[in-house]
Amino acid sequence: QKEVEQNSGPLSVPEGAIASLNCTYSDRVSQSFFWYRQYSGKSPELIMSIYSNGDKEDGRFTAQLNKASQYVSLLIRDSQPSDSATYLCAVRVNRDDKIIFGKGTRLHILP
Amino acid sequence: DAGVTQSPTHLIKTRGQQVTLRCSPKSGHDTVSWYQQALGQGPQFIFQYYEEEERQRGNFPDRFSGHQYPNYSSELNVNALLLGDSALYLCASSFVETQYFGPGTRLLVL
Repeated sequence: QKEVEQNSGPLSVPEGAIASLNCTYSDRVSQSFFWYRQYSGKSPELIMSIYSNGDKEDGRFTAQLNKASQYVSLLIRDSQPSDSATYLCAVRVNRDDKIIFGKGTRLHILP
Repeated sequence: DAGVTQSPTHLIKTRGQQVTLRCSPKSGHDTVSWYQQALGQGPQFIFQYYEEEERQRGNFPDRFSGHQYPNYSSELNVNALLLGDSALYLCASSFVETQYFGPGTRLLVL
């Protein structure tokens, strides 16, 4: 059974600080990794995708992938109250396979 | 360019009834996936349609069925509704790699 694990939180971070969200996955041959943001009552919105080991930066967001440790993380710099949401980690083994989601981490940015 | 659209936005049904949810993919996308998201959980994969065929299926009973039309739009049908089917149903469309979600249909079964 392929699994994606996330700490459910809530993770509370002061405004302006760095928020660090973590995710582990069970299938070692997974190829594609995604972070989605979901506001309460809304649908998931894609933030980042990452496919290779290392860091990928997009604005205030940095995704980090370590396939050897089966670990993917998302860093949010200069956290804003609008970043308060649930962050979903998602993993896919190959391009034609289904995407498996974690349960999400609730992030709360403290003003 | 319109994104992924879903209808209806909300729906109330009673146990035993049948429901049909609809999805129009983002322009240029040929693959549609359906997910069920219960409160406090991540989306659970139901099935995926590509070229009008069901390509992948998750651990959902046969009460859940679907269809994809030549214009790539898709339907999700659920028969013999149970209270546990109450959830947010999400449609996601893609071309090659990344999936983009529609706004979802919130189904309440009484």
